[in-house]
Amino acid sequence: QKEVEQDPGPLSVPEGAIVSLNCTYSNSAFQYFMWYRQYSRKGPELLMYTYSSGNKEDGRFTAQVDKSSKYISLFIRDSQPSDSATYLCAMSAYSGGSNYKLTFGKGTLLTVNP
Amino acid sequence: DAGVIQSPRHEVTEMGQEVTLRCKPISGHDYLFWYRQTMMRGLELLIYFNNNVPIDDSGMPEDRFSAKMPNASFSTLKIQPSEPRDSAVYFCASSTGSRNIQYFGAGTRLSVL
Repeated sequence: QKEVEQDPGPLSVPEGAIVSLNCTYSNSAFQYFMWYRQYSRKGPELLMYTYSSGNKEDGRFTAQVDKSSKYISLFIRDSQPSDSATYLCAMSAYSGGSNYKLTFGKGTLLTVNP
Repeated sequence: DAGVIQSPRHEVTEMGQEVTLRCKPISGHDYLFWYRQTMMRGLELLIYFNNNVPIDDSGMPEDRFSAKMPNASFSTLKIQPSEPRDSAVYFCASSTGSRNIQYFGAGTRLSVL
């Protein structure tokens, strides 16, 4: 079983739709959770950062972490064509010392159609 | 800040040739990461450095791959000899502080023919 599982999609939605992106993980030591957005032929850029369980909202984006289910989600409200990108979840067990690695999902390709 | 700078952006080479990828991290960042991204395997960590010292190279696929960080502002990833299965996009990222927020470069797209 991979440490992080993410449905690769592709996911195609009309403009204005609510988008839900998800990842599951197996390592219960993960406590830092991130979502990166990657436009075509660009490097990933951090979109959301969450520590431990709970919700975090930033504009149209909401990140949720459920550590009991080992499940994280990213919701995009009022999706725009400019949101079309690949979304990668990432997580790490500890920030600092020798265990500083991020483990990424394979990414979900999202297309928002005008 | 200009962000993480990688060069070259594209590299096309023939099997057996040596390939050197270069990275300049964000000034002041003390962690540097090399990743490889393919459709099949996604984004994989190859190696990372802290204060110019390699910390974990367990992701380096073979002895053909090597990485160095001679100073805080420069790192290289070398493949010698290159093989067609090394074709991928290679990213460099840097970070600092306790939150481990990594900033990525634009990547080097490598094609080995």
